Amino acid sequence: SQKIEQNSEALNIQEGKTATLTCNYTNYSPAYLQWYRQDPGRGPVFLLLIRENEKEKRKERLKVTFDTTLKQSLFHITASQPADSATYLCALDPDSWGKLQFGAGTQVVVTP
Amino acid sequence: NAGVTQTPKFRILKIGQSMTLQCTQDMNHNYMYWYRQDPGMGLKLIYYSVGAGITDKGEVPNGYNVSRSTTEDFPLRLELAAPSQTSVYFCASSPGNGESTDTQYFGPGTRLTVL
Repeated sequence: SQKIEQNSEALNIQEGKTATLTCNYTNYSPAYLQWYRQDPGRGPVFLLLIRENEKEKRKERLKVTFDTTLKQSLFHITASQPADSATYLCALDPDSWGKLQFGAGTQVVVTP
Repeated sequence: NAGVTQTPKFRILKIGQSMTLQCTQDMNHNYMYWYRQDPGMGLKLIYYSVGAGITDKGEVPNGYNVSRSTTEDFPLRLELAAPSQTSVYFCASSPGNGESTDTQYFGPGTRLTVL
């Protein structure tokens, strides 16, 4: 199965700065890659999806890139706010049936 | 819409006991999923269903069973609970009708401890 790696160390960042998270995968290249946000004690919430033929996707202050050559996705939170503090999960779908494989997530802590 | 609801929120089981985790969605989604999340680990797929009457195994199905008799409900059955099944269980659903297939909506989770 796919191995999905995300930074295990928490990312501490000052309010207003840009947070950049990395998701690396091995083996096959998925048709698309997703990013979810998870708050403590709650289920993941979908943020963005990027397809293999898309280099970049944006939604408000969020930006995702997808490099199938490097087998890597970068997730950016610009002008970060304390409310952005959460764990961010990267997920890949091996065969487009929605059977997502998740990374362990990276915790982001934004301080005022 | 309530979205995806799960019951119970918390449960403690003794080794060898059985229980059913309930999951209901009111979005008329075709696809439903069960994941488990262990501390510091990514979510792992247990079972999934693409419609009523159709289920299939995910990555970690051993020790679990599912059924899908209606579009709305997708219960997960634990038989003979073991400490290794201590985890947080999430149910999710997605439309499964084309372009919007890809987004999954998650329930709040059930925290299960087996002692």
